Amino acid sequence: AQKITQTQPGMFVQEKEAVTLDCTYDTSDPSYGLFWYKQPSSGEMIFLIYQGSYDQQNATEGRYSLNFQKARKSANLVISASQLGDSAMYFCAMREGEGDDKIIFGKGTRLHILP
Amino acid sequence: GAGVSQSPRYKVTKRGQDVALRCDPISGHVSLYWYRQALGQGPEFLTYFNYEAQQDKSGLPNDRFSAERPEGSISTLTIQRTEQRDSAMYRCASSLAMGGLKDTQYFGPGTRLTVL
Repeated sequence: AQKITQTQPGMFVQEKEAVTLDCTYDTSDPSYGLFWYKQPSSGEMIFLIYQGSYDQQNATEGRYSLNFQKARKSANLVISASQLGDSAMYFCAMREGEGDDKIIFGKGTRLHILP
Repeated sequence: GAGVSQSPRYKVTKRGQDVALRCDPISGHVSLYWYRQALGQGPEFLTYFNYEAQQDKSGLPNDRFSAERPEGSISTLTIQRTEQRDSAMYRCASSLAMGGLKDTQYFGPGTRLTVL
């Protein structure tokens, strides 16, 4: 079974609109962390936002917020007021347990912002 | 400060040759990770180090792949007797502390390996 599922291979969104990128995860560990990374066409991997399984509030970083629904095992990324520069591949990722350092990535969603 | 650097950025080699990929982590970062990313996919874990100790190599595909970090800083990923299926982007990441859920990994630009 996949640990991280991103069901949207590609999305097209009009500039200035908000966009939600879906991510569901699968773990039996009560302690885990969730990450979103952005990969523009240049190929770099840029860390965007983190949510811990015990965090009471949804994480926010500027225009990025994470809609964390623990019971549904969902960690959707919300980008408000999208910009042309947001066009990129977006990866959801998870680290399970305090003692496991590796991060498991989803297959990604390619976001296209239309002018 | 400087981010994670990797060299070479691009490597083209013939099948059967050995290659060595280098990663220079962010200064002061204790943990170093290697991932492989196929085109259109997310990065896939290979191995990681805390200081010079290799903690987990469960992601290395076979014994042609090895990694070292002898002085706890720069790391080298070596692929012996390369095969065409080894062609991918090889990414290195580093993080400040050992473990901890929130310990963020910062990625380098990657080395694009092409095996002819």
